[in-house]
Amino acid sequence: AAGVIQSPRHLIKEKRETATLKCYPIPRHDTVYWYQQGPGQDPQFLISFYEKMQSDKGSIPDRFSAQQFSDYHSELNMSSLELGDSALYFCASRGLAEQETQYFGPGTRLLVL
Amino acid sequence: AQKVTQAQTEISVVEKEDVTLDCVYETRDTTYYLFWYKQPPSGELVFLIRRNSFDEQNEISGRYSWNFQKSTSSFNFTITASQVVDSAVYFCALTPPSGYKLSFGAGTTVTVRA
Repeated sequence: AAGVIQSPRHLIKEKRETATLKCYPIPRHDTVYWYQQGPGQDPQFLISFYEKMQSDKGSIPDRFSAQQFSDYHSELNMSSLELGDSALYFCASRGLAEQETQYFGPGTRLLVL
Repeated sequence: AQKVTQAQTEISVVEKEDVTLDCVYETRDTTYYLFWYKQPPSGELVFLIRRNSFDEQNEISGRYSWNFQKSTSSFNFTITASQVVDSAVYFCALTPPSGYKLSFGAGTTVTVRA
């Protein structure tokens, strides 16, 4: 079965640089979520999109923005990167038939130096 | 507001022992969904089980079983006859209906020794 695809899988950036993370949801899933997981922590919700519209917003810094495109893939744009942005970034998707189950991608491991 | 508490930080067992992970939740919603996810050392988050609030039937799926008790707001998860491949961080999570975010517990690290 198709799963959530995230790219890149690993990313190394310098402070103050920008990064773009991409997410391709499971086919026919209409909701995409972004989570950030710091070392030894649980995933923290950043933002979600339903049918290409922002549906909920969590603790996402103003330096970050995201959108969902017409093909339902989503991108998380991160600017003015800080050391504290180093984390594992997950994308998850959900379909209407899934009874609220979110399926996660493999994550993008971002390291800011 | 929703809150999930996993009081056990780490559990270490010998292979073939049973492991029970505790999860207590708080929510004001009358309808909600509970989940267990597994995060192995490779880092991905794997969906294991789901339970909705209006179905308290406990089930067994292979070596996994769960005990949902609405009266005590608990959703415990048991791995029977543990194996080394079960070594991972296990997260309990909660969400209301209609596509809202997952609220995770802090996670329990399970180490299964050969």
